[in-house]
Amino acid sequence: GNSVTQMEGPVTLSEEAFLTINCTYTATGYPSLFWYVQYPGEGLQLLLKATKADDKGSNKGFEATYRKETTSFHLEKGSVQVSDSAVYFCALKLNSNSGYALNFGKGTSLLVTP
Amino acid sequence: SAVISQKPSRDICQRGTSLTIQCQVDSQVTMMFWYRQQPGQSLTLIATANQGSEATYESGFVIDKFPISRPNLTFSTLTVSNMSPEDSSIYLCSVGDGGGQDTQYFGPGTRLTVL
Repeated sequence: GNSVTQMEGPVTLSEEAFLTINCTYTATGYPSLFWYVQYPGEGLQLLLKATKADDKGSNKGFEATYRKETTSFHLEKGSVQVSDSAVYFCALKLNSNSGYALNFGKGTSLLVTP
Repeated sequence: SAVISQKPSRDICQRGTSLTIQCQVDSQVTMMFWYRQQPGQSLTLIATANQGSEATYESGFVIDKFPISRPNLTFSTLTVSNMSPEDSSIYLCSVGDGGGQDTQYFGPGTRLTVL
């Protein structure tokens, strides 16, 4: 079946540290891949996406590259800020006639300390 | 992206009662989706709601427990019926970004606690 596996959290980093949150996927077709972020007390927000192999999604200093050969979509940021503290969800969606469900990972909690 | 609001933002309910959650979008959308996020867990799709037709439920979810209405292109409701503590979750609605529905945008969620 289709699934997403994320690294377990919580992840605690100091401000300005480099961030990587690993995400790998299993899919029967060619999915679109997403990172969503959930700030404390708020709803889910789309952070970035990539729709085909080798695409790089980027937003707010975050990046993720769709790697078909390793079935991965790791999230990176060069220098995190306290305001990046949130839960990050990796998700996939199969295209065309495969339905509309987003398959989410379990989420990775990030805490950035001053 | 669409602006999505939900009511109520949170509620505490007694076992055996029902709660209806409203989702309002600031633009017309073809498809709306309802998800559940159980404590400490990821999101699971409950159903897809199309205007003018029956909702399509995912495996493990049934209409009797989670009836959905979609009276127009900007509004939907999800009812959680005959609640038990296991229904304590955050319920989120989302909308697709167009014909391809590739990207979904989420409302702020309704945090439900069942005692």
